[in-house]
Amino acid sequence: EPEVTQTPSHQVTQMGQEVILRCVPISNHLYFYWYRQILGQKVEFLVSFYNNEISEKSEIFDDQFSVERPDGSNFTLKIRSTKLEDSAMYFCASTSLAGVNNEQFFGPGTRLTVL
Amino acid sequence: QQPVQSPQAVILREGEDAVINCSSSKALYSVHWYRQKHGEAPVFLMILLKGGEQKGHEKISASFNEKKQQSSLYLTASQLSYSGTYFCGTVNNNAGNMLTFGGGTRLMVKP
Repeated sequence: EPEVTQTPSHQVTQMGQEVILRCVPISNHLYFYWYRQILGQKVEFLVSFYNNEISEKSEIFDDQFSVERPDGSNFTLKIRSTKLEDSAMYFCASTSLAGVNNEQFFGPGTRLTVL
Repeated sequence: QQPVQSPQAVILREGEDAVINCSSSKALYSVHWYRQKHGEAPVFLMILLKGGEQKGHEKISASFNEKKQQSSLYLTASQLSYSGTYFCGTVNNNAGNMLTFGGGTRLMVKP
């Protein structure tokens, strides 16, 4: 069964460093998402991406964040200058043609630890 | 604004039933239900679209009352595997691409 994959599974970085989190969505999906979950808290929407551009973003997704689809398979989230409060689990998700009203398939997540 | 889930936590014995509620202060276009086990990604359960439909998946079903801006998840004859945190996610308009999650309901099923 096709699945969303994410790398790395765990990333440790120093405050102020840049990190890139990578995701490979399901191959025939066209809508891509990033969410984050601070330990013990709810899942929070960051950004949605369709047709090579951001379609919606939350207040969390400020100028420090950017997303890219550098090739036909990868979908990346970059945090330019990490802060302690960026420590969280980051989930990538994808869905098919019909967009948000279809099931969003979540990847296993990347645990980001900022020291 | 995030939807409000209740209860925040519930403990059941195997075989008992539970209801988890999700309420929004904004008009809802659709409601998504997910279950997350500790240390894992959320797993999709079902979507309810505008129209007040009810859906079921084995012993888990859900309803959506768009007038009340509420959805409820019904867990019948709970099994140990039902343990986890249940999140509702809401979409507030047809053009939206943003899924806003509630705070979650932690469910523990004991033998």
